[in-house]
Amino acid sequence: KQEVTQIPAALSVPEGENLVLNCSFTDSAIYNLQWFRQDPGKGLTSLLLIQSSQREQTSGRLNASLDKSSGRSTLYIAASQPGDSATYLCAVRIYNQGGKLIFGQGTELSVKP
Amino acid sequence: EAGVAQSPRYKIIEKRQSVAFWCNPISGHATLYWYQQILGQGPKLLIQFQNNGVVDDSQLPKDRFSAERLKGVDSTLKIQPAKLEDSAVYLCASSLEGQPSYGYTFGSGTRLTVV
Repeated sequence: KQEVTQIPAALSVPEGENLVLNCSFTDSAIYNLQWFRQDPGKGLTSLLLIQSSQREQTSGRLNASLDKSSGRSTLYIAASQPGDSATYLCAVRIYNQGGKLIFGQGTELSVKP
Repeated sequence: EAGVAQSPRYKIIEKRQSVAFWCNPISGHATLYWYQQILGQGPKLLIQFQNNGVVDDSQLPKDRFSAERLKGVDSTLKIQPAKLEDSAVYLCASSLEGQPSYGYTFGSGTRLTVV
């Protein structure tokens, strides 16, 4: 059974810091891994999608890496800003179960001005 | 392209009442999902449709939850009767048929509070 874990559960940093969010999964049989952002009371916004054959994806100040063999992904945020404050969720899309997403519990990020 | 539309945004009901949520996926997306997100947790799949057929409803509490997707487009999720533990955000998502390499697109969700 696929399980996804995110560490830390919460993180508070001063503005301008670079930071790393971690995601681990137990079964490497995945199509892809997706990082989402969720603002309080809102839906999910897709940030980055990494296919199982890829090692990393970049979008602006965000960089996500994937090491499928070790079951790990990281989301790197450069030069953090208060507007980055949100909950970040990772999810893996798994084989042979209709392609459903299995989510971690999220990391709540707070960037202080 | 237009995103995934959901309504209502918020709903407050008393326990044992019924409630229904609506979702309109992105045009051309044959696969539609309903997820439940309890406060402080990641979303969990309730039901997955491919066109108007059910692919996976193994986690749907069928004694009180039901869902349908008529004509393979819009979908409704119903809870009857509601319990306090059903308080959550209900998220609808869609993706391209047969394209597991594509990501999901989520709607803004419906926040349900059962009192």
